[in-house]
Parts: sequence; C-alpha cells; structure tokens
Amino acid sequence: GAVVSQHPSRVICKSGTSVKIECRSLDFQATTMFWYRQFPKQSLMLMATSNEGSKATYEQGVEKDKFLINHASLTLSTLTVTSAHPEDSSFYICSAVDWVRGEKLFFGSGTQLSVL
Amino acid sequence: QQQVKQSPQSLIVQKGGISIINCAYENTAFDYFPWYQQFPGKGPALLIAIRPDVSEKKEGRFTISFNKSAKQFSLHIMDSQPGDSATYFCAASMNRDDKIIFGKGTRLHILP
Repeated sequence: GAVVSQHPSRVICKSGTSVKIECRSLDFQATTMFWYRQFPKQSLMLMATSNEGSKATYEQGVEKDKFLINHASLTLSTLTVTSAHPEDSSFYICSAVDWVRGEKLFFGSGTQLSVL
Repeated sequence: QQQVKQSPQSLIVQKGGISIINCAYENTAFDYFPWYQQFPGKGPALLIAIRPDVSEKKEGRFTISFNKSAKQFSLHIMDSQPGDSATYFCAASMNRDDKIIFGKGTRLHILP
C-alpha cells in the first residue's frame, strides 16, 4: 500500500539549535501534506497544512517563524523547528492524501524530538 | 470548542469481547469520518472510514455505526484480541482535501 516515510524517527538536540524533519510519499504524489504534533497520551493537534509550490497554512497559535514548512516537490515536505527549546519536545507526525487510491490519509511513523 | 468528542478515555475488555468506542460531532458539514489505530511511538494507521450516506460499514472485525440525525458514530471491534490493544482515534473532516480533526483518543487494553 501507499507509504509515507518520515525521517528521522528520533532526534535529540541542544537548546537553540534547529532540527529538520522530512516527510516523503514513497509511491504517490502528494499535493497536500499535513503536520501534526502529539504530546504523550494526548491527541494529534494539527500544526499546518503543507501545499506543494505554495506557502503553508498554519493553524491558530502555531508560530510560522518557528516551525518552517517547505513543500518543494510532490513527494517531499519538510518541517524545520528553528531555535528549538525544551518546550518544543514532542512527537511530530506528517500525513499525506493519496488521491489515486481514494480517500486514504496515510501517516508517517513520527519523529520524537527531545530538546535538552 | 471541541469539534469531535470521543469516549471513553480508556477501555478494558476481555479477550473475545466486543470493544465499543463512541464519538459525537458538532459540525454538520463534516462528511468523512475515519478511525485510526495508533501504537506507542508510531504514527496512526487508518482502520476504517465512513461517509454520512451509509449507516454502517464493516471490514473484518471492525464495524462503524453511523447515526446522522444524532451526529454520532461508533467503532465496534468484535472478538477483541490482545493485539488490538492500542489507542484509537475517531476523526472527521469536511472533504477529502481538508484537515482531519481528531477526537482525544481512547486507550484500549484487551486482557489476555
């Protein structure tokens, strides 16, 4: 079936550094990808909608200058957490819709970010 | 305002029993209702989804029941197995391209 690959699966960084997370649709083209954030034992909160070739749409309360999203191709979207701080530590998950195979929203395996 | 309300928060079921998770929504413009299963440290995986023109959909041991007038839908897991122990999220969206709004999740534990 369709696969969304997310990398890295886990990252530990020092406070103040930037971290880039990649989300790839491996066997389909994704004009739209979504980025979610999930705290332990909580639900997924949508951060932004990533559109290929245009600016991302951010949800209310999400700092666009802190969470930079780039969707440069039909198979790749990246989320960069800039100047990360401990409060940014979370589980980040991307997802994409495979239109060809119908209304299937596929999720990546997630990235656990820990900021020291 | 919580657009998709899910209950219970946690559920314990004996092996072989029926697990039932309920969700209610507010926005009548929602027209796509998926259920996701998530294991610890992994991304959610689509289990089954339904549209409002259908009252029930079954795939294997998983069944969605949908009540449009009550704005409620539920997931039934028949013959529950220990491997079904996971967190389940109901969700809703207004069209295929729109963002998915998730419920708060139900942590299901199946006793062996």
